[in-house]
Amino acid sequence: GDSVTQTEGLVTLTKGLPVMLNCTYQTTYSPFLFWYVQHLNEAPKLLLKSSTDNKRTEHQGFYATLHKSSSSFHLQKSSVQLSDSALYFCALSDNNRIFFGDGTQLVVKP
Amino acid sequence: EAGVTQSPRYAVLQEGQAVSFWCDPISGHDTLYWYQQPRDQGPQLLVYFRDEAVIDNSQLPSDRFSAVRPKGTNSTLKIQSAKQGDTATYLCASSQLGGLSYEQYFGPGTRLTVL
Repeated sequence: GDSVTQTEGLVTLTKGLPVMLNCTYQTTYSPFLFWYVQHLNEAPKLLLKSSTDNKRTEHQGFYATLHKSSSSFHLQKSSVQLSDSALYFCALSDNNRIFFGDGTQLVVKP
Repeated sequence: EAGVTQSPRYAVLQEGQAVSFWCDPISGHDTLYWYQQPRDQGPQLLVYFRDEAVIDNSQLPSDRFSAVRPKGTNSTLKIQSAKQGDTATYLCASSQLGGLSYEQYFGPGTRLTVL
């Protein structure tokens, strides 16, 4: 069945370093991928979305490229800030169902 | 523009008690979703509506959970006879134009603890 896998439960980094949060998916349908960010005690908010193969999408310094050949949609940022500390969810939609990964907690230290 | 609002923000119950959660979506959004988010897990879709119609409730534990959206605006999710396994945050989200490939706007959630 359809699913989303986020391999890292917790990522801890020092401010200014690059980060990549992994997301792979499984589906037999044409996928629509999302990244949502959830700050402590706040609602999840959309960060990025894509359904176009091999096209980079960017927002607020974060970027991701959907690679259908490897079923991946990894989230990257070149230089993390303290304010990036949050829970990040990858999600997959085939327009019939939506599946969220278990999330990756990003902690940025000074 | 007001976001998605939910109430209550917190609820603590004994097993066997009932509880209702209320959601007010963004004005004009025709699609409304309810998710269950257990601790340390991602949100899991329970049910979603387009206007007042249920589109998919296949993941709703129908024997104890029910959800309605009678006028296609606000929605109520109810748990009859809560169990400890229902402990989770319940998120409501809404979107325009329906479909699951559109951006969903989430409310702050209701954190439920069943003792």
